[in-house]
Amino acid sequence: DAGVIQSPRHEVTEMGQEVTLRCKPISGHNSLFWYRQTMMRGLELLIYFNNNVPIDDSGMPEDRFSAKMPNASFSTLKIQPSEPRDSAVYFCASSFRGGTTEAFFGQGTRLTVV
Amino acid sequence: QQQVKQSPQSLIVQKGGISIINCAYENTAFDYFPWYQQFPGKGPALLIAIRPDVSEKKEGRFTISFNKSAKQFSLHIMDSQPGDSATYFCAASSSGGGADGLTFGKGTHLIIQP
Repeated sequence: DAGVIQSPRHEVTEMGQEVTLRCKPISGHNSLFWYRQTMMRGLELLIYFNNNVPIDDSGMPEDRFSAKMPNASFSTLKIQPSEPRDSAVYFCASSFRGGTTEAFFGQGTRLTVV
Repeated sequence: QQQVKQSPQSLIVQKGGISIINCAYENTAFDYFPWYQQFPGKGPALLIAIRPDVSEKKEGRFTISFNKSAKQFSLHIMDSQPGDSATYFCAASSSGGGADGLTFGKGTHLIIQP
């Protein structure tokens, strides 16, 4: 397996634009997580899916953020409208079962909102 | 908010020395304590993990010590090598629901000097 695949690797967008980040988890994993990493706040959990169902979205910072998992092999994180403070590295991770088994992280998407 | 506090923020160790990173947690429901290693431009990768039924786990040069009563755990890197230079994150999660995703410490930037 190629691991968790995220796209794009880098995204530069203007304030107010819609941004969509994509993630393909490892086949056979039933849990998917979206994290955001910044220097100030470190790694923050945004949302957790189990069997394609959102279980915990308490980390989603605002209504501007939304996430979907239409099937077991694909998830998106959308920011609309984007703001400069959304600039960060966004990671997707998947695990075989829940948060107490090894989470495999993708390479991340570096988002810059200007 | 559930927290995991990590120290030190940065650490410089001579080659061959012992690197020690400490973490403390608050939520007694946490029952999974992994350490992740992150290199620049990469996603975090699992290094070693422990569950609270044991007080120590060793894998090669890496050891986790766990003190349940003090709610503390630490990572020891023996015979530290320049290739160990990276950012290390402790984390915690619960299998009992309510904390399914990993809660990360703020990270320790480790530099091993040749």
